[in-house]
Amino acid sequence: QKEVEQDPGPLSVPEGAIVSLNCTYSNSAFQYFMWYRQYSRKGPELLMYTYSSGNKEDGRFTAQVDKSSKYISLFIRDSQPSDSATYLCAMESQGGSEKLVFGKGMKLTVNP
Amino acid sequence: GAVVSQHPSRVICKSGTSVKIECRSLDFQATTMFWYRQFPKQSLMLMATSNEGSKATYEQGVEKDKFLINHASLTLSTLTVTSAHPEDSSFYICSAPAAGSETQYFGPGTRLLVL
Repeated sequence: QKEVEQDPGPLSVPEGAIVSLNCTYSNSAFQYFMWYRQYSRKGPELLMYTYSSGNKEDGRFTAQVDKSSKYISLFIRDSQPSDSATYLCAMESQGGSEKLVFGKGMKLTVNP
Repeated sequence: GAVVSQHPSRVICKSGTSVKIECRSLDFQATTMFWYRQFPKQSLMLMATSNEGSKATYEQGVEKDKFLINHASLTLSTLTVTSAHPEDSSFYICSAPAAGSETQYFGPGTRLLVL
């Protein structure tokens, strides 16, 4: 079993839809959870960062972490065509200087 | 937020030549930087951890003599792909954690094409 599992999609939704992206993991030592957005041929950019369990909201984006289930989610409300990108979950056991473990990435297309 | 730059953004070279890729932290110091490789439609794969003032730590299966890493200063790490071959063609990305921050910042990536 891989440390981090993420459905690679692709996922195609109409503009305005609510998008739900998920990752599961097996390493209970993970404490820091991130979602990155990567546009084609670009480096990943940090979208959301969460420590331990709980919810975090930033504009149209909400990140949820359920450590008991080893399950994290990213919700995108009122999705826009500009949200079309690959979304990668990542996690690490210590903040900052530890190696990140990535999911495979989910390719999302939001159709106008 | 913190900014990490990479140079060049794109390079095309002939098989057998060496290519150097630079990763710079522009507004913060980074004692550690990470180098990733990403093949099309795949996730980032960690190649090595670059440590300022000491040897890099390579992931299993990554040839340290082929992928030379030098972390010469607190703001610069270089990855040199020696004797590049077509199978080395990939997207190379670096990242660095900013001191006092619990997150890592990624460079824009370097696309290498070996003919």
